[in-house]
Amino acid sequence: QVQLVQSGAEVKEPGASVKVSCKASGYTFTTYDISWVRQAPGQGLEWMGWISAYDGNTKYALDFQGRVTMTTDTSTSTAYMELRSLKSDDTALYYCVKEGEDSGTRYFHHWGQGTLVTVSS
Amino acid sequence: DMQMTQSPSSLSASIGDRVTITCRTSQSINKNLNWYQQKPGIAPKVLISAASTLQSGVPSRFSGSGSGTDFTLTISSLQPEDFATYYCQQSYTSTRTFGQGTKVDVK
Repeated sequence: QVQLVQSGAEVKEPGASVKVSCKASGYTFTTYDISWVRQAPGQGLEWMGWISAYDGNTKYALDFQGRVTMTTDTSTSTAYMELRSLKSDDTALYYCVKEGEDSGTRYFHHWGQGTLVTVSS
Repeated sequence: DMQMTQSPSSLSASIGDRVTITCRTSQSINKNLNWYQQKPGIAPKVLISAASTLQSGVPSRFSGSGSGTDFTLTISSLQPEDFATYYCQQSYTSTRTFGQGTKVDVK
């Protein structure tokens, strides 16, 4: 079965960077895009961007452009999301998500367990 | 930028009630609209894809409809396990967008 296993919780100071990993199994990694979605405490879902696991192409949400980098390592079926210049309002649960497709519509099919990133001095 | 307006932001309902949640987009997205359910402390789960396709394992009391700019998620008879937060999400554009969410709680 499809599994996305994310790295553990992180505590960072303002201005630092964080890199979250997402190891995929149970499917051919290069066949599907990976998106990253975050959720601040008590708030809604916020899409950050996606990466093609096939060719490494990326698309980032405007709010994160210049501050986020998404990469993949196809040899280990792992996706990474690095967020720089952290601020307190980056404190959130970060999810990696494998996309699915239905009649040409992409949707967020399989979700990782989430990685809590806390930004605090 | 695609704007999504989900309503209501919250609602209170009783077991057996029919519940309707709407999602409106700022431009036509054909049927590229998905619905998710999220319970506290758990990752979201897809219920409906492409506006109306019920995902495998999702009870038939859930249904989705709409196309263009106006979409609806309906729960025909609310069950105890349906108290949760629901999100719509568009994938028409290369930048994905979520609605603000609708929290369904006990009346």
